[in-house]
Amino acid sequence: DAKTTQPNSMESNEEEPVHLPCNHSTISGTDYIHWYRQLPSQGPEYVIHGLTSNVNNRMASLAIAEDRKSSTLILHRATLRDAAVYYCIHSKGAQKLVFGQGTRLTINP
Amino acid sequence: DTGVSQNPRHKITKRGQNVTFRCDPISEHNRLYWYRQTLGQGPEFLTYFQNEAQLEKSRLLSDRFSAERPKGSFSTLEIQRTEQGDSAMYLCASTITGTGLSNEKLFFGSGTQLSVL
Repeated sequence: DAKTTQPNSMESNEEEPVHLPCNHSTISGTDYIHWYRQLPSQGPEYVIHGLTSNVNNRMASLAIAEDRKSSTLILHRATLRDAAVYYCIHSKGAQKLVFGQGTRLTINP
Repeated sequence: DTGVSQNPRHKITKRGQNVTFRCDPISEHNRLYWYRQTLGQGPEFLTYFQNEAQLEKSRLLSDRFSAERPKGSFSTLEIQRTEQGDSAMYLCASTITGTGLSNEKLFFGSGTQLSVL
């Protein structure tokens, strides 16, 4: 199963940027890097995904290292509603995403 | 787009009873997944369907578990002779395939929380 490494927890302050790191040293050339987040009492929610180039959407930005062995999810201006567990996954498309334990992000007011 | 719907949201049962959960995916989605999640852990893959065909089952899925997707639309997950270790959140997700890997993302329901007493 595809394995990623993320910090167990991170903390940030409201309205500040947050950089969530992920290592995926076993990624294959055709695997996408996916980020999902899970708010309390809800199912995971798609955040962003990319292959090689950096990606931006209304929720976040994804910065992918040149060797693709690591990536960083960037929340440009965190709000209290961004407090969640963030999962980094690499997979071909959305086929059988294998979730690790993720990073629990706490946002301080 | 009403999202992925799961019923019931909560189920409490006694050990040894059978339970069935239902998942209604987003209408045009041809692929449907079941995951299980215990407290403090990420979701674990159980099985998935491409239309009505069950294409893969995890080793986690014992013979007490069975899933169906009879008409390629909604799906059911049944657990027979429940055990306390089956207590978990059961999550369903769907996606549409065939439009390119770059378009594939999973849409999850809110899950069914099972408690086995």
